Amino acid sequence: EVQLVESGGGLTQPGRSLRLSCAASGFRFGDYAMHWVRQAPGKGLEWVAGISWSSDTIGYAESIKGRFTISRDNAKNSLFLEMNSLRAEDTALYYCAKMSGGEIYYYAMDLWGQGTTVTVSS
Amino acid sequence: DIQMTQSPSSLSASVGDRVTITCRASQSINSYLNWYQQIPGKAPKLLIYTASNLQSGVPSRFSGRGSGTDFTLTINSLQPEDFATYYCQQTYSTPRVTFGPGTKVDFK
Repeated sequence: EVQLVESGGGLTQPGRSLRLSCAASGFRFGDYAMHWVRQAPGKGLEWVAGISWSSDTIGYAESIKGRFTISRDNAKNSLFLEMNSLRAEDTALYYCAKMSGGEIYYYAMDLWGQGTTVTVSS
Repeated sequence: DIQMTQSPSSLSASVGDRVTITCRASQSINSYLNWYQQIPGKAPKLLIYTASNLQSGVPSRFSGRGSGTDFTLTINSLQPEDFATYYCQQTYSTPRVTFGPGTKVDFK
């Protein structure tokens, strides 16, 4: 089955860290760019970060730049998001999404996971 | 960074109506504009890619047009399952992509 399954979310305190994972199956993971997109409660979609198939091209939203790191392991069909110095405003449902091509731009997000919830609160 | 706006932010419609949503980019994005549908409690779903191409499996009542800075998503003959929030997204500006703020379509 073609799917993305996120994990690693949870409740944490401001300033702490979390590592999100996204397990891909049913397609050639190493051929496609991947992204993280988040959605705060009751709000719209916010792009967080993207990584090309080869990891050569990486992009981050300004709101998380310097605090979050996206990475991938093509051998393990996995995508990651290392989140440091978490803030209350990082509270959201985090989706991983597959791009329809190998680069993080020009294509579209044609497969999404169900998301993992991150709550940052003291 | 390229900013995306959508109008209206919400609209009320009835089954069978024709609905048009507009998306505007702050600078030209060629045709690198995608549309997504999100039903509450569900992950977003790709409807239209590169402005006017219908994603596989998406009903033909959905259509997209535009290039440069101005784009539209049209739903012909709105169905009950179409009541959702719709987002546009630009993927032209490397290395960042941007979503519009969304348009909520609900029952009149």
